[in-house]
Amino acid sequence: AQTVTQSQPEMSVQEAETVTLSCTYDTSESNYYLFWYKQPPSRQMILVIRQEAYKQQNATENRFSVNFQKAAKSFSLKISDSQLGDTAMYFCAFMNYNQGGKLIFGQGTELSVKP
Amino acid sequence: DVKVTQSSRYLVKRTGEKVFLECVQDMDHENMFWYRQDPGLGLRLIYFSYDVKMKEKGDIPEGYSVSREKKERFSLILESASTNQTSMYLCASSIQDGMYGYTFGSGTRLTVV
Repeated sequence: AQTVTQSQPEMSVQEAETVTLSCTYDTSESNYYLFWYKQPPSRQMILVIRQEAYKQQNATENRFSVNFQKAAKSFSLKISDSQLGDTAMYFCAFMNYNQGGKLIFGQGTELSVKP
Repeated sequence: DVKVTQSSRYLVKRTGEKVFLECVQDMDHENMFWYRQDPGLGLRLIYFSYDVKMKEKGDIPEGYSVSREKKERFSLILESASTNQTSMYLCASSIQDGMYGYTFGSGTRLTVV
């Protein structure tokens, strides 16, 4: 069975600095998707960034980028120029191509951005 | 703006009660999902549905059932609520292959006393 592990339950960063959240996953499949979701305090979960496993190029969305290492089964999220609004719980998630859209989530990392 | 709407933000129920959590999406998505979120455990899949009247068990279906009579609505039912079902419940929907991820509802925080 596939698993997703986020080894950092909590992290903090100063405003304007860069922070990296780690995620590893375990699968025997070669075709899959990876996602990072953000859940602000008392607010809705939203998609931050996604990566398709067959693409070697790392995905980027404005200040958010990933470091996708397929051989190492690693999918870290880098947040540049951190802002107070980045304070949230972040979840890494995995989806097999052939599992009908089921997402498997990690345990989450609670990120605090300090002024 | 596309939406997944969960009927209640906060709910308090007594042990043994039958509880209904409702979820409605307006995106014509085929797939709908119910997860529960607990600190340190992330999100765990309870049930999901690929189509009307279809349902499949997720990783933790015990004590729950679901109903999907219409494409846009997916209900989670706690047959006899217990205190260990106190949790945050998240509904989500996606297109058929899920390749773009999910759209989530705002969640229902259920407390069973």
